[in-house]
Amino acid sequence: DSGVTQTPKHLITATGQRVTLRCSPRSGDLSVYWYQQSLDQGLQFLIQYYNGEERAKGNILERFSAQQFPDLHSELNLSSLELGDSALYFCASSGAPSSYNEQFFGPGTRLTVL
Amino acid sequence: GENVEQHPSTLSVQEGDSAVIKCTYSDSASNYFPWYKQELGKGPQLIIDIRSNVGEKKDQRIAVTLNKTAKHFSLHITETQPEDSAVYFCAADLWRTDKLIFGTGTRLQVFP
Repeated sequence: DSGVTQTPKHLITATGQRVTLRCSPRSGDLSVYWYQQSLDQGLQFLIQYYNGEERAKGNILERFSAQQFPDLHSELNLSSLELGDSALYFCASSGAPSSYNEQFFGPGTRLTVL
Repeated sequence: GENVEQHPSTLSVQEGDSAVIKCTYSDSASNYFPWYKQELGKGPQLIIDIRSNVGEKKDQRIAVTLNKTAKHFSLHITETQPEDSAVYFCAADLWRTDKLIFGTGTRLQVFP
């Protein structure tokens, strides 16, 4: 158990809808990262927050947005969903804004868009 | 952009044999190289990492080697067991950022 929690575990929705994925980092970790993993694909970095502020952006679509709240939990919002958005979404957390810090991954949310 | 290449994409070994997975990175300023194991239906789990000031690190049956000159690093698993079957990802940090660039993964199957 990494200490990172994600809800929900599974999500099934229809095209055009909007969903929110939630992540709670390990106790004391200030950074949260979001990744997308499509079937048999690698981990694509989406976005990172550090202590409530956006710190880095990756290949995140304009239809997607995220935020980190004062209690450090983070939410990833996906809107106008398309079939191709079906994937596993992981969040990871780390302790400080340094590239030397280990990232600990949550169990993921499996999103299915029908 | 910066990238990490990982080979092979699939690897099948007999229980008890060794397995080696290799990665090459492009950012010469990278200093941190973690390896993750992802079991079916689970999130990636950090199993070992190495920083640029050392050339090798071991933890029981797993070891990682780093060649900064050639910009490649490898994961070695000895005495493989069926529970080692999983997808393994290498990664390298992007200098002056908190980002990790991941390889495309290696699906390891260990047959009893």
